[in-house]
Amino acid sequence: AQSVTQLDSHVSVSEGTPVLLRCNYSSSYSPSLFWYVQHPNKGLQLLLKYTSAATLVKGINGFEAEFKKSETSFHLTKPSAHMSDAAEYFCVVSANNAGNMLTFGGGTRLMVKP
Amino acid sequence: DGGITQSPKYLFRKEGQNVTLSCEQNLNHDAMYWYRQDPGQGLRLIYYSQIVNDFQKGDIAEGYSVSREKKESFPLTVTSAQKNPTAFYLCASRKGIRPGMNTEAFFGQGTRLTVV
Repeated sequence: AQSVTQLDSHVSVSEGTPVLLRCNYSSSYSPSLFWYVQHPNKGLQLLLKYTSAATLVKGINGFEAEFKKSETSFHLTKPSAHMSDAAEYFCVVSANNAGNMLTFGGGTRLMVKP
Repeated sequence: DGGITQSPKYLFRKEGQNVTLSCEQNLNHDAMYWYRQDPGQGLRLIYYSQIVNDFQKGDIAEGYSVSREKKESFPLTVTSAQKNPTAFYLCASRKGIRPGMNTEAFFGQGTRLTVV
């Protein structure tokens, strides 16, 4: 079985300060990992993905994530938060031994203060 | 433009009515999914389809039905048997889910269903 835990349901940062959204996964097989962003009443948009290539993955809007197998983590970071980053973020895992099904974390709501 | 389209954006249902949510994609994707999202919660899988004329129940299929008669289309019917249908519904598609194809999913913009 595979699972995803997003360690913080809410994160609040000030504009211009770094963002860290934490994600831990459990998978008995080599996983693919994704981060999605969802703005209110919208669908999910892919920020970045890890599929067994480089462990440091760069995504859109200045976000990046590092796959750490030893820590089973895939934390999302951004050096400097912008007001437009305020949204819900989902970490997602997919692995061959789970039928390639997507398993979603519970989400982290990012708030950005002016 | 390639993408995945859900309609309508907002839908109101009376008690005891069936309603159908539309999902169409022109990405030539094999797999399609329906998720339900409730306030402050993550996504829960209702149904998915890996190929035309085949679909599988997800975690919360009771009170819902689907069809996959065409590759491009995966409509979801919320039946009167669904006791608490008010939620945000998201449709997604993926290129394929064969071994080694851990591709990302593309999402529609969602349909907000409200029971009145």
